Amino acid sequence: DTAVSQTPKYLVTQMGNDKSIKCEQNLGHDTMYWYKQDSKKFLKIMFSYNNKELIINETVPNRFSPKSPDKAHLNLHINSLELGDSAVYFCASSQENYGYTFGSGTRLTVV
Amino acid sequence: AQSVTQLDSQVPVFEEAPVELRCNYSSSVSVYLFWYVQYPNQGLQLLLKYLSGSTLVKGINGFEAEFNKSQTSFHLRKPSVHISDTAEYFCAVRPSNFNKFYFGSGTKLNVKP
Repeated sequence: DTAVSQTPKYLVTQMGNDKSIKCEQNLGHDTMYWYKQDSKKFLKIMFSYNNKELIINETVPNRFSPKSPDKAHLNLHINSLELGDSAVYFCASSQENYGYTFGSGTRLTVV
Repeated sequence: AQSVTQLDSQVPVFEEAPVELRCNYSSSVSVYLFWYVQYPNQGLQLLLKYLSGSTLVKGINGFEAEFNKSQTSFHLRKPSVHISDTAEYFCAVRPSNFNKFYFGSGTKLNVKP
């Protein structure tokens, strides 16, 4: 039983395309997140949702749009992909101060 | 504002030797502290956390960390490492008044035979 699952695991696409990454958690957590990990392994928060409500929206291009249809799902849609969007995107969930549970990541490569 | 500094980007060590991975933080409020491990091509896994109480925290895989409030540090230690401990290790802090985690830049632990 995977606690936080992301799909797809790998995504290769051309510049200018639109793509989505899906995330689902079965832990009953209230809060979900999207993080971007760059080539130097630096982790940067992008968005956070609590019970379907956006609570953290860092300085991210508005080509990135999160959507949370319910508290178990947080999807990330990216419009007009650019080379600099290439990274590993991690979904995570948490409940209060118990720490994050991470998904296994989506490696996005824009060519 | 919060920040997390991992002083070593890479730590090479021989198998069965002890290791310490350093983490310092700054925060204007009290914090909760965490260490995560990332194996190649995988997500991050929680190693241990400090919320309150005893400043020495034990985690999985034989790791432990000590919270030092005066030095604002949360260093990770293991008395004897294995080849399988080779991974990237991330220190993270969460302010007590807001559910947002701040990660350090990571330390790559390379255990050699």
